[in-house]
Order: sequence, then structure tokens, then C-alpha cells
Amino acid sequence: AQSVTQLDSHVSVSEGTPVLLRCNYSSSYSPSLFWYVQHPNKGLQLLLKYTSAATLVKGINGFEAEFKKSETSFHLTKPSAHMSDAAEYFCVVSGGAGGTSYGKLTFGQGTILTVHP
Amino acid sequence: DADVTQTPRNRITKTGKRIMLECSQTKGHDRMYWYRQDPGLGLRLIYYSFDVKDINKGEISDGYSVSRQAQAKFSLSLESAIPNQTALYFCATSVGGTGTYNEQFFGPGTRLTVL
Repeated sequence: AQSVTQLDSHVSVSEGTPVLLRCNYSSSYSPSLFWYVQHPNKGLQLLLKYTSAATLVKGINGFEAEFKKSETSFHLTKPSAHMSDAAEYFCVVSGGAGGTSYGKLTFGQGTILTVHP
Repeated sequence: DADVTQTPRNRITKTGKRIMLECSQTKGHDRMYWYRQDPGLGLRLIYYSFDVKDINKGEISDGYSVSRQAQAKFSLSLESAIPNQTALYFCATSVGGTGTYNEQFFGPGTRLTVL
């Protein structure tokens, strides 16, 4: 079985300040991990993905995430928030080959990011 | 043109009506998925199909059925819609094979309201 917990349902930052969105996961097999973003009234867009090649993953729009196996975490960060970053962010896990969750995504509950001027 | 399309984009219907949501993709992917999104719950998997002859239930399949008409088409049906099926529905696709990373590509969503 696999699961994802996003530790904050809402995060509010000021423009130009750092962003931290926290995610913990559980997976029986070597997982793939993703962050997706959903802007208001839009579909889901992939921000970045971890696929075991490197623990620090860089994504689009200046976002990055670090895979920490010992902490089972995959937190999303950005050094300086922009107004256009306001959206809902989903941490997602996909089970590795051999597990019953292989090929299926499990979504966290989502974190709504608000950016103040 | 979008790689994953969904029709309709918005639908309002009444309790007891049969509804079909359609998904088409031009990405050539073998795998297709249907999710529903509810506020505070993220996306939950309804059904998935790893190829045309393979259809599987997800975590919340009760009240739904699917049809994989071709590699590129995957339809979701609500045989008798009820108000708690009001949600945003997403179709997604991914490549197959054990060497892939399971990244999924999402359609724009269908907003369904059941009165």
C-alpha cells in the first residue's frame, strides 16, 4: 500500500519570500514521486518528478524538491515566491515495479498556496 | 491541439440520469485513468486501463462504469447519477512498461453537477 500526507492544507507567503510545501509518503517499493500544480479552473500540470536518478530534483518555474528516504519526505521549495505561483499543489506517489500499486498514482490532499503582494 | 481532451467540459444533470464522460488522447499511450477531485481530498482513482483489454477498478468505482473503445478512447459512465457524484473529473494517460516512471498526463477536466 502507498499513501501521501501533505502536512499543510494552506500556506501563505509574501511575494519574494521562500516557499516550502511539505510532503511525507509511504510506499512498500521504490516509489516515483511527483509534484503537480493546479491553477484555478485549470487542469493539472507536472512540476517535477523523482525517479531515483538524483535526490534533488529541479522542476519548472524555479521549483525544486529533495527526496529524503530516511525521513520519507519529498518537500517542495522555491527561493522566491511570485504572484503567479498561487495555486493548489499536489504531492503524488507511484509505487515501484513489483508492487500492487505499480502504475497507479496516489494523491495527497493538496496544499493551497496563497501569495500576498 | 491538446494531447488529452475531455468532453463535455461542464455538465449539469438531474438525479437518476445516465451520464457519459468521454476522454480522447493523441499521445499514443497505452494506459488511461479516470479520477474525481473533491475539495480537500485530492484526486481519487475511479477506474484505470493498462491496455484495451485490461480494465481495473480503482479505489472508488461504485456507481461508475467504463469502456475502453480503443487505445485512444476511454469513457466513464454514471448509470444513475446521484448528487454526491458532483465533482471535477479528470482523465489521464501514461506510457506502459516496467521501465517507466508512471508520469501521468491530465486532461482539462469535466465539471459535473448532479441536482
